[in-house]
Amino acid sequence: QSALTQPPSASGSPGQSVTISCTGTSSDVGGYNYVSWYQQHPGKAPKLMIYEVSKRPSGVPDRFSGSKSGNTASLTVSGLKAEDEADYYCSSYADSNNLVFGGGTKLTVL
Amino acid sequence: QLQLQESGPGLVKPSDTLSLTCTVSGGSIRSSVYYWGWVRQPPGKGLEWFGSIFYSGSGYYNPSLKGRLTISIDTSNNQFSLKLSSVTAADTALYFCARKYWGSWNFDLWGRGTLVTVSS
Repeated sequence: QSALTQPPSASGSPGQSVTISCTGTSSDVGGYNYVSWYQQHPGKAPKLMIYEVSKRPSGVPDRFSGSKSGNTASLTVSGLKAEDEADYYCSSYADSNNLVFGGGTKLTVL
Repeated sequence: QLQLQESGPGLVKPSDTLSLTCTVSGGSIRSSVYYWGWVRQPPGKGLEWFGSIFYSGSGYYNPSLKGRLTISIDTSNNQFSLKLSSVTAADTALYFCARKYWGSWNFDLWGRGTLVTVSS
């Protein structure tokens, strides 16, 4: 069982927006601004999409955005494209120099 | 362009020690701004962080694995390694090495991963 809770699946049509949640506790998501989001296509390594809650690495489209409220972080993908279909994982720093991941959400573009 | 490449046996027997190496190419592992770490992914499942190490040898470990886990670094060969003892079938996974910036808690560069199966 993963430390952070994500919905197993999410979907949206091209052009729509979809939001994926990531729920933790005050010992991880709620206590620190070190939430990250990764995109993983089948057979590939994860790719960093969002770090420190809402920052985007160079090269990541601004269609991807992150936010946090309390113990829940969220990833929003706007203007969905077929290439956004992938698994998405959140992670967070946790107490005592630990790093925890969510169980992953499979995003389907209908 | 810096790249990471995992290597090691693809098959390990139960109760043995799993050993993997990550070779860093295109740059030096002796960086004062990066930690080097390991993440695994059991087939069809989510990600799990193992730990991260600095070129000095200091680092952080996943507390749930600390008793079985050793991460080391060899700056002369630009490599870092993972050893996981007393493995079981539950340790079957795709193992990734990755880089994280000092002071951050995200991995911005990943290897392609290597599959390790634990079976007799």
